[in-house]
Amino acid sequence: AQSVTQLDSQVPVFEEAPVELRCNYSSSVSVYLFWYVQYPNQGLQLLLKYLSGSTLVKGINGFEAEFNKSQTSFHLRKPSVHISDTAEYFCAVSAGETSGSRLTFGEGTQLTVNP
Amino acid sequence: ETGVTQSPTHLIKTRGQQVTLRCSSQSGHNTVSWYQQALGQGPQFIFQYYREEENGRGNFPPRFSGLQFPNYSSELNVNALELDDSALYLCASSLTSTGKWYFGPGTRLLVL
Repeated sequence: AQSVTQLDSQVPVFEEAPVELRCNYSSSVSVYLFWYVQYPNQGLQLLLKYLSGSTLVKGINGFEAEFNKSQTSFHLRKPSVHISDTAEYFCAVSAGETSGSRLTFGEGTQLTVNP
Repeated sequence: ETGVTQSPTHLIKTRGQQVTLRCSSQSGHNTVSWYQQALGQGPQFIFQYYREEENGRGNFPPRFSGLQFPNYSSELNVNALELDDSALYLCASSLTSTGKWYFGPGTRLLVL
């Protein structure tokens, strides 16, 4: 079984500041890792994913994440945030060789970007 | 735009009633999963269908059931609704081996 812990439930930052949203996971098998964003009253949009290869993954909207196997972490970063980045962010893991494996989500981190 | 649609967008039911939620996946996506997202929480896996057969289930009782059809649509049925079933229900579809799930906008269910 897998589990995901998002270490911060809320992260307030000022516009143009850097941000890091932290995610740790637990699994007895190799995992695939994902970050999703959810804007108010909407579904989930994939920001980025790590399946294999380079541990630094670049996603949409200027976000990137680094997979650290020894620390079982997959933190999400952006060097300069915008007001429009205000949303709920979810870290998720899945196990197995195909996308047929279920996603296990963390509890979410509410990112609020203030002017 | 993910190409995954869900209906209805909102629904109000009373305790004890039954509800059917619908999802239309992207063409060619042979796997669909359903998730329940309670207010302020992350999505929880309900079950998954692959080529019209259930091939995975989360910690949900049997009154949660589903169907997947050949035309890439699917249904989530919930019987004997309880107040705690109030949540956003998300459908996600994928083509096996791509490692990518596409989520619909969800159906918000309120049980009174």
